[in-house]
Amino acid sequence: GAGVSQTPSNKVTEKGKYVELRCDPISGHTALYWYRQSLGQGPEFLIYFQGTGAADDSGLPNDRFFAVRPEGSVSTLKIQRTERGDSAVYLCASSSQAGGHTGELFFGEGSRLTVL
Amino acid sequence: GENVEQHPSTLSVQEGDSAVIKCTYSDSASNYFPWYKQELGKRPQLIIDIRSNVGEKKDQRIAVTLNKTAKHFSLHITETQPEDSAVYFCAASLGGNKLTFGTGTQLKVEL
Repeated sequence: GAGVSQTPSNKVTEKGKYVELRCDPISGHTALYWYRQSLGQGPEFLIYFQGTGAADDSGLPNDRFFAVRPEGSVSTLKIQRTERGDSAVYLCASSSQAGGHTGELFFGEGSRLTVL
Repeated sequence: GENVEQHPSTLSVQEGDSAVIKCTYSDSASNYFPWYKQELGKRPQLIIDIRSNVGEKKDQRIAVTLNKTAKHFSLHITETQPEDSAVYFCAASLGGNKLTFGTGTQLKVEL
């Protein structure tokens, strides 16, 4: 696709429910990132994939959060037993830069999660 | 871990004036400093970046300066235009694209 695509764009759920957020990166980008942006704040790093493997998951806040990228392209962020504090915009980004190299991050429009 | 502070939180300028946004970082090992622009309800987009081996970088009306000794870097926008109105985020990285972002600056360019 032309850019990073994220679905759903909006998700409203109840406390305690399970949610999945999907990210389709730019074709050919091997690196994929998940960030979380709370209102009035900058994006906060969650997890980074290089290919199929999670190269760095140090930003995941707790074990209710999990992400996969089984075929090295589409990624799914999974949140179990959602809490009101999980409400935020979840941003996915991809990059053509592999490993420890820096380069432009191409962000998606985000998935806005609201936990009631 | 890395900590990035950004000032001011809001900035209002007249069209045609210059705008300056400043950031400080805590980890002297950080070596990559991008700036992202985010319009309301839109995705962040990279506008300029600088690496630690360079002191200044310019791209048309936008420039970034880096002072490694003081651990601060700044974004300079000259001849501001209404379309420059947005939230600007600085960020720092110890390596790779695992970025630590500042809290953002809401820039408003008034006619």
